[in-house]
Amino acid sequence: AQSVTQLDSHVSVSEGTPVLLRCNYSSSYSPSLFWYVQHPNKGLQLLLKYTSAATLVKGINGFEAEFKKSETSFHLTKPSAHMSDAAEYFCVVRFGNEKLTFGTGTRLTIIP
Amino acid sequence: EPEVTQTPSHQVTQMGQEVILRCVPISNHLYFYWYRQILGQKVEFLVSFYNNEISEKSEIFDDQFSVERPDGSNFTLKIRSTKLEDSAMYFCASRLTGLASLDTQYFGPGTRLTVL
Repeated sequence: AQSVTQLDSHVSVSEGTPVLLRCNYSSSYSPSLFWYVQHPNKGLQLLLKYTSAATLVKGINGFEAEFKKSETSFHLTKPSAHMSDAAEYFCVVRFGNEKLTFGTGTRLTIIP
Repeated sequence: EPEVTQTPSHQVTQMGQEVILRCVPISNHLYFYWYRQILGQKVEFLVSFYNNEISEKSEIFDDQFSVERPDGSNFTLKIRSTKLEDSAMYFCASRLTGLASLDTQYFGPGTRLTVL
């Protein structure tokens, strides 16, 4: 069955420390993968996407993600967290058709 | 930068009433979508729309739901007779024509629907 799993519902990091948000997917082929961010009372904003080009994808605001086919993972990272990074992050997959399938989300809290 | 807009931001209605949620997609986009997020749950796909037709819909999108592009700019979601369980945040999205594998869906800010 095709699915997407975000392993952590809540991650807290101190400002200036690295961020790691984990995402795994289950699929019989390589899907298109995305990370979206949702700030409070705002819409869903695209951070980055993977569509079978380079496996290391750079996005906005210093975020990047690496597609690892052998591990079926697409973890999101940032070297140094900023207070403005506090938000809900969604790992999203397109399994070949029109619709996007969302993970359950990870709430990122930044500790001053 | 162009963006998807949605109105209203918050809609409160009585159970059994009809509601229409409105979206203005990015102007040159041709593919349109509705998703919803019930409080505390995942964002779920409802329907996709292209060339004045539904191209894909989920099990959630039953006969109570309909979509329409009444003019060149608006894209609407109608719920004919609302139920308590329709309370959710509804997101509209659009994308440019082209290969689905290379294209990005751009989301609006959402409409929070509360059914009493």
